[in-house]
Amino acid sequence: EADIYQTPRYLVIGTGKKITLECSQTMGHDKMYWYQQDPGMELHLIHYSYGVNSTEKGDLSSESTVSRIRTEHFPLTLESARPSHTSQYLCASSRQKSGANVLTFGAGSRLTVL
Amino acid sequence: AQKITQTQPGMFVQEKEAVTLDCTYDTSDPSYGLFWYKQPSSGEMIFLIYQGSYDQQNATEGRYSLNFQKARKSANLVISASQLGDSAMYFCAMRVSGSARQLTFGSGTQLTVLP
Repeated sequence: EADIYQTPRYLVIGTGKKITLECSQTMGHDKMYWYQQDPGMELHLIHYSYGVNSTEKGDLSSESTVSRIRTEHFPLTLESARPSHTSQYLCASSRQKSGANVLTFGAGSRLTVL
Repeated sequence: AQKITQTQPGMFVQEKEAVTLDCTYDTSDPSYGLFWYKQPSSGEMIFLIYQGSYDQQNATEGRYSLNFQKARKSANLVISASQLGDSAMYFCAMRVSGSARQLTFGSGTQLTVLP
């Protein structure tokens, strides 16, 4: 059973629409992340958060924004979607395990912008 | 800057045989961690195994083992006794100690297990 939940799993929308991808985790992790992944390609970090009211941009520039008002919730918003935003978005949170900071991922949100 | 290289875009293996997925990395930081994740067609990323740069022994987790060769900067994943359910994309990733940006991922290897 997943401990990190992403909704929607699939979304097809038109250009110019505002969208929010939801991510929630029940593990009490302080650190949360958003990665963007094009089909068959590597993951690129676009946002991360070390805790409530803490958000930073990742390595890949993104027009999306995030917020972290509650520990368990880390939504990603696109104010005006474009076809170039078509991708999979993976949310993750992290824990310490045997010295490693292991990321637990959600199932992903596949976004298609027409 | 950190970099992960996976040179095998696709691999095939017969069921019940072992397979090695290659991963090389580049970092100047002496303290780092190496991870392998599995991504089935459903899209989620599943953590498989971790190796710390100071770990003396190669990591093992069930049928997964990590062949860590520090001097060569390689961290190959070995899957023993392959199963049909192992067919997936496999990503190698690295985290440098103190990095605020968490994991750097390789481009992945698509493994197909043949019956």
